[in-house]
Amino acid sequence: DADVTQTPRNRITKTGKRIMLECSQTKGHDRMYWYRQDPGLGLRLIYYSFDVKDINKGEISDGYSVSRQAQAKFSLSLESAIPNQTALYFCATSDPRDRVGNEQFFGPGTRLTVL
Amino acid sequence: AQKVTQAQTEISVVEKEDVTLDCVYETRDTTYYLFWYKQPPSGELVFLIRRNSFDEQNEISGRYSWNFQKSTSSFNFTITASQVVDSAVYFCALSENTNAGKSTFGDGTTLTVKP
Repeated sequence: DADVTQTPRNRITKTGKRIMLECSQTKGHDRMYWYRQDPGLGLRLIYYSFDVKDINKGEISDGYSVSRQAQAKFSLSLESAIPNQTALYFCATSDPRDRVGNEQFFGPGTRLTVL
Repeated sequence: AQKVTQAQTEISVVEKEDVTLDCVYETRDTTYYLFWYKQPPSGELVFLIRRNSFDEQNEISGRYSWNFQKSTSSFNFTITASQVVDSAVYFCALSENTNAGKSTFGDGTTLTVKP
């Protein structure tokens, strides 16, 4: 089984709808991240969380919110989806005790289309 | 602030040619980590390699090799005897030790290997 899972894998929705993307991990990592990827661009950080009580904005948090329900779960919400939020979304985890160095473990991605 | 530049947007080669993907980074940290990921057409991110800032040894893994040069802030990736299956988008990423494990990604290089 995959260590980092994302649901749904694909989603098509309409402008103005509320959407939640979910991420679960079995790695036992405290840190979790949400990134988005647009065509021709690299991944950009939306939100990140150090633990259940610690949530921080990334570089492109406007229009998004997150919830860290448990160590293993980190959800991303689009309160009112708009077409320019059409993108590939990745969840990732990392272990702050990683002495080798900051490796992030990525989920398979969620492809979101907002019409 | 950390920054990663992949100046080559697209590269096209014929099978069996060697190809080098360039990555230049900026950071103020003395401790940092560099990564390469492969993103095949299916969309997932495949981890290829991690390097820390104290280890400038080049690395070879099969047909893949990486050249890390702190003097020029570069971490280039070479594929020897390219194959059609190497066709993908390749991302270079940087994670600063003081930056909570967050990664900054380059915009990626799309490699097409033609038979």
